[in-house]
Amino acid sequence: EVQLLESGGGLVQPGGSLRLSCEASGFTFSSYAMSWVRQAPGKGLEWVSGISGNGGSTYYGDSVKGRFTISRDNSKGTLYVQMNSLRADDTAVYHCARALRHCSGGACYYYGMDVWGQGTTVTVSS
Amino acid sequence: QSALTQPPSASGSPGQSVTISCTGTSSDVGGYNYVSWYQQYPGKAPKLMIYEVTKRPSGVPDRFSGSKSGNTASLTVSGLQAEDEADYYCSSYSGSNNFAVFGTGTKVTVL
Repeated sequence: EVQLLESGGGLVQPGGSLRLSCEASGFTFSSYAMSWVRQAPGKGLEWVSGISGNGGSTYYGDSVKGRFTISRDNSKGTLYVQMNSLRADDTAVYHCARALRHCSGGACYYYGMDVWGQGTTVTVSS
Repeated sequence: QSALTQPPSASGSPGQSVTISCTGTSSDVGGYNYVSWYQQYPGKAPKLMIYEVTKRPSGVPDRFSGSKSGNTASLTVSGLQAEDEADYYCSSYSGSNNFAVFGTGTKVTVL
């Protein structure tokens, strides 16, 4: 069964750090780009970050650029996001998702996220 | 990078159709045929319903259909059923961040 399982969420003080993990199973992890998507309480989905299958290309949303770092270990089938300088507005459920991309002429284009984890909750509060 | 614009709510009676719009710019929705739609129940993970504007993943009922004109994409749910009551989000490839942008979300109510 294709599955994603996030972990690492919790309560952290403003300015603190946290690392989330997402363990994949049931598919060839290295063949797929991956992404983090978050949802603040009562709010909509917000794309946070993405990474190519081999980890060579990384992408960030404006709200987390310079503070979050996405990475992956294909030998372990695991996706990570290191979150530093956390703020209250980073409070959310963080989902990892398998990202479908079409690559052509040296460029890759995301066209859907077909497998999602249930999410892990991050709360930033003093 | 601004979120794509969706109406906050939409509704219809069982058996009717409801259409949700998703408006972006030429840097996302209008510039590429890479619009996707997601269904989300409260407390659950999103589910991919439509990708590449019009394509349905295996297992998604053909009551769900997508289209696009200019900078606006649309999701139509025909023959509304009680189980269709959920939040729906559009998403698109974004030329601004070279990955993705999501819409603001629409709550669909089955009357």
